[in-house]
This record gives sequence, structure tokens and C-alpha cells, in this order.
Amino acid sequence: DAKTTQPPSMDCAEGRAANLPCNHSTISGNEYVYWYRQIHSQGPQYIIHGLKNNETNEMASLIITEDRKSSTLILPHATLRDTAVYYCIVRVWGGGYQKVTFGIGTKLQVIP
Amino acid sequence: DAGVIQSPRHEVTEMGQEVTLRCKPISGHNSLFWYRQTMMRGLELLIYFNNNVPIDDSGMPEDRFSAKMPNASFSTLKIQPSEPRDSAVYFCASRSGTVDEKLFFGSGTQLSVL
Repeated sequence: DAKTTQPPSMDCAEGRAANLPCNHSTISGNEYVYWYRQIHSQGPQYIIHGLKNNETNEMASLIITEDRKSSTLILPHATLRDTAVYYCIVRVWGGGYQKVTFGIGTKLQVIP
Repeated sequence: DAGVIQSPRHEVTEMGQEVTLRCKPISGHNSLFWYRQTMMRGLELLIYFNNNVPIDDSGMPEDRFSAKMPNASFSTLKIQPSEPRDSAVYFCASRSGTVDEKLFFGSGTQLSVL
């Protein structure tokens, strides 16, 4: 799986959009971008994933650059409950036997 | 669905004792993962199973650690003998594999070895 690079920490004002970047310059054509988050003392939670088109669901939006070397997770209206560590992962769809590894992630602090 | 169920939620034991952590994956999922999380090392993959078969155990730190998956609905992670440096939160996760690649995590077991 391609490696990812994320800033270790970010702050965001409550009610504002939180934009979390991820670099994955070695991503291959069949690798998807996945985002998870981990709220303190809980297990990681799936947020969203995409291949090359922008994606949106009830939790967030995912913007992937045209060259697919980076992406941004957008929380449109951050709340205090969005304070968590956010992990960006890239892996092949149908990877099956491929293990899933998590990096350090970005610790997002939403400030009142 | 109840999600991935782990037990116990908390375990406090003394050094040298055997510890067994349990996991029930989501019904129908065919992949199961055991992770360990500490402040120093973050979230580490220990072992994962596909269709009850261990595929990669390269993350298991020592022979003191062993994992089994006797059937599709149950897995255990055993530490024998336990040591204080094993203190961590242990997470189990499952994945459908056939539907999508999303991982679903349990609530974890907080292990403290005194």
C-alpha cells in the first residue's frame, strides 16, 4: 500500500469547516483513499473513501486532486464532537489479503 | 447488527499471568484484525485472518502472543506470560471483504499489567 503523510495536528473553530490534508504521492491507479477517525478511547470509525472523484456523505466530503497525489477531508461545520485523530489510508479495492496499517494521523482539535 | 464485540472492556492483571482477549466479528465478515494501541507506538497491526486462516502475524511482538480464530464468529488473542510493557488498548476489527473494504472496530480492551 502507498504511504501517506498527514500533519500531526490541526485546530479548527467550532462551526467552521475543517480541512484535513493528506499526501499520497506514490498512490497507484487501483488504490483507493480511505479516511477513518478515532475519538478518544474509542475504536477507529470509517468516514469516507474514494478513487478519483470527489465524494460526499452524511459525515464529510472527500476531495481528491486530479493527479490523485493528495486529498482533503472536509468536515463542513465542525463541532466539538469532531475532535479526534483522523487517519488517511490508501489501499487496493479488493485487497483481501493485504493488511491494513494506520499511520500517525492528524489530531484535530475543535475549539469553542 | 451489534457491531464488533470485544471482551472484557478492561483487564487488570499481574505480571506473569495469562491474559485472554476475545472478539466477535460482525456476522458475515470474512476478515478479522487485531491491533494494539499505545501512546508511544500508535495503532499497530498484530495479526489478521481471512476466512479464519491467519494470513500475516508479522506484527505479533513475541512468542508470548498467540491468536486463534476457531470459527467465523470468534477470535482470541492470548498473552502468556504477560508483562507490564504489554499494557495497551487492544482493538479487534472485522471487514466484509466481499462487499467493501471498510473496517469496523470494536470498543477495545484496556489491558493493564502490573
